[in-house]
Amino acid sequence: GENVEQHPSTLSVQEGDSAVIKCTYSDSASNYFPWYKQELGKRPQLIIDIRSNVGEKKDQRIAVTLNKTAKHFSLHITETQPEDSAVYFCAASKAAGNKLTFGGGTRVLVKP
Amino acid sequence: EPEVTQTPSHQVTQMGQEVILRCVPISNHLYFYWYRQILGQKVEFLVSFYNNEISEKSEIFDDQFSVERPDGSNFTLKIRSTKLEDSAMYFCASSELDEQFFGPGTRLTVL
Repeated sequence: GENVEQHPSTLSVQEGDSAVIKCTYSDSASNYFPWYKQELGKRPQLIIDIRSNVGEKKDQRIAVTLNKTAKHFSLHITETQPEDSAVYFCAASKAAGNKLTFGGGTRVLVKP
Repeated sequence: EPEVTQTPSHQVTQMGQEVILRCVPISNHLYFYWYRQILGQKVEFLVSFYNNEISEKSEIFDDQFSVERPDGSNFTLKIRSTKLEDSAMYFCASSELDEQFFGPGTRLTVL
């Protein structure tokens, strides 16, 4: 089955700097790659996603890139703010209605 | 904006007892899911449900687990005889297509 690896497990950045989180997946049939932000004790919130027919997607300070050949995708957060502090999970799925396989998570701390 | 809701927010039970976790998915969604998250760990898939039947289940989802859509709005997860290792946060999710939206979770504590 699908296996998603995520790095780093923790990331500490100064406010205003960029943060990059990387994920790799194993199943070449996966074609949907969402990113979730989870604050302590809260639900995972979908922040951005990318499908296999595009290589990059951007939404304000957040961008995601996908390299299907290498089977890896990354989350980029620019101009980080303290409210970006949370755990971020990448995930992979094959199609609508299919399970999400999650990475291990990255705890991001933005220091003011 | 419509959201997935779950009840209860916290459930404490004795080992061996049955629990039912309830979810109300977003109304026009077709696919429903249960995931669990042990404290400090990643989110793990349990089961997916479509057209009134299970479409996929994980190794975790053994004979002690069952799901049901008893009416047009609710989606439930039942654990027949809880074990200590069932203690976790249980999230319901729903999707119209591939974007899955999560509920706030039920924290299950098995004593």
